[in-house]
Amino acid sequence: GEDVEQSLFLSVREGDSSVINCTYTDSSSTYLYWYKQEPGAGLQLLTYIFSNMDMKQDQRLTVLLNKKDKHLSLRIADTQTGDSAIYFCAVDSNTGFQKLVFGTGTRLLVSP
Amino acid sequence: DAGVIQSPRHEVTEMGQEVTLRCKPISGHDYLFWYRQTMMRGLELLIYFNNNVPIDDSGMPEDRFSAKMPNASFSTLKIQPSEPRDSAVYFCASSLQRFSYNEQFFGPGTRLTVL
Repeated sequence: GEDVEQSLFLSVREGDSSVINCTYTDSSSTYLYWYKQEPGAGLQLLTYIFSNMDMKQDQRLTVLLNKKDKHLSLRIADTQTGDSAIYFCAVDSNTGFQKLVFGTGTRLLVSP
Repeated sequence: DAGVIQSPRHEVTEMGQEVTLRCKPISGHDYLFWYRQTMMRGLELLIYFNNNVPIDDSGMPEDRFSAKMPNASFSTLKIQPSEPRDSAVYFCASSLQRFSYNEQFFGPGTRLTVL
């Protein structure tokens, strides 16, 4: 089945850029997503990218997609303490419409 | 809209007891998902419904788990009998079918502790 992998933890200082990486196995995914989970809450869609795009920018967020290497990254510019959360990479599943396959999540800790 | 509503937010029960978790999806959404989140296994999809019909229950751990969706505005996840290894945060999510990206809206979760 599909597999989505992320590093577990990232620590940065406030004001720095954060880069969260993700690798996946299913090359047929149409959309790839980044979800954010704040403490004690459910996941919330942060941004997404269509598979025929290499890059998408949305304010402080930049998503890069390398289809050849099946690698997705999320860059957060000028990281703030409020960005501390768990970030999940997700891809469309090839086994069910509307079904997503989520990664393990990367816990981002931003220190002042 | 109030978003996805889950109840209870916290549940503490003893091993062997029946546990029922409840979910109200966003009005008009036609997909409903149940997930389980633990430190060890991350976020796991248990089952999902389309128009109240179960589509894929391959993630349901065993027969002790069952899920129903009697109508478009209500779903339950039942564990009978519960075991300590069922302790986790259970999320319900809903989405609307569209021919583009797939945004799932998550509820706040139910934290289940089985003693």
